[in-house]
Amino acid sequence: NAGVTQTPKFQVLKTGQSMTLQCAQDMNHEYMSWYRQDPGMGLRLIHYSVGAGITDQGEVPNGYNVSRSTTEDFPLRLLSAAPSQTSVYFCASSYSYPGRLSSYNSPLHFGNGTRLTVT
Amino acid sequence: GQSLEQPSEVTAVEGAIVQINCTYQTSGFYGLSWYQQHDGGAPTFLSYNGLDGLEETGRFSSFLSRSDSYGYLLLQELQMKDSASYFCAVGNDYKLSFGAGTTVTVRA
Repeated sequence: NAGVTQTPKFQVLKTGQSMTLQCAQDMNHEYMSWYRQDPGMGLRLIHYSVGAGITDQGEVPNGYNVSRSTTEDFPLRLLSAAPSQTSVYFCASSYSYPGRLSSYNSPLHFGNGTRLTVT
Repeated sequence: GQSLEQPSEVTAVEGAIVQINCTYQTSGFYGLSWYQQHDGGAPTFLSYNGLDGLEETGRFSSFLSRSDSYGYLLLQELQMKDSASYFCAVGNDYKLSFGAGTTVTVRA
């Protein structure tokens, strides 16, 4: 199994450009999420999805869009890149709600990240 | 919302024991999770406490006190490969929030 696959690994954008960060998982996980990681601030939730067709906002959703047309894919779109969006982006998935673990659930499985620089 | 506090850095020598504390404020608390992240890598799950008490997984143990909104991760018999960042996390309503992370540096 590949697990959670993110592409690209690195990206440089100019201010105002748009792009899509790709995320795919092959574990049949219902829950998928996007985090950004900045120095000294840990991981902050951008958007999440509890299943195909269902998305919701996390802690820092402004400037980002998501959609979930299939169970496997959860792309993150930057509509008009800004230098403040320079960060490392992680996609993560789990069977269900990752905050309450049980024998029917699983913790978050993270992709290897996308390092984005906006100039 | 949720807030979590953990120390920013801890340094210890090989073979030592390190305890990383985490205090949290949240509504609808279900449990406390811990994740490890090596430099340049992806976070990986270490442990979860849904009930008060100690959970042990090899050299690592995690503790939770719900009444004190407090938990800790205990790293025993430290090895060089344990040099990494460690994050506590809590969540409700499908939003899992992470602390800012504790960087553990293991010295020979």
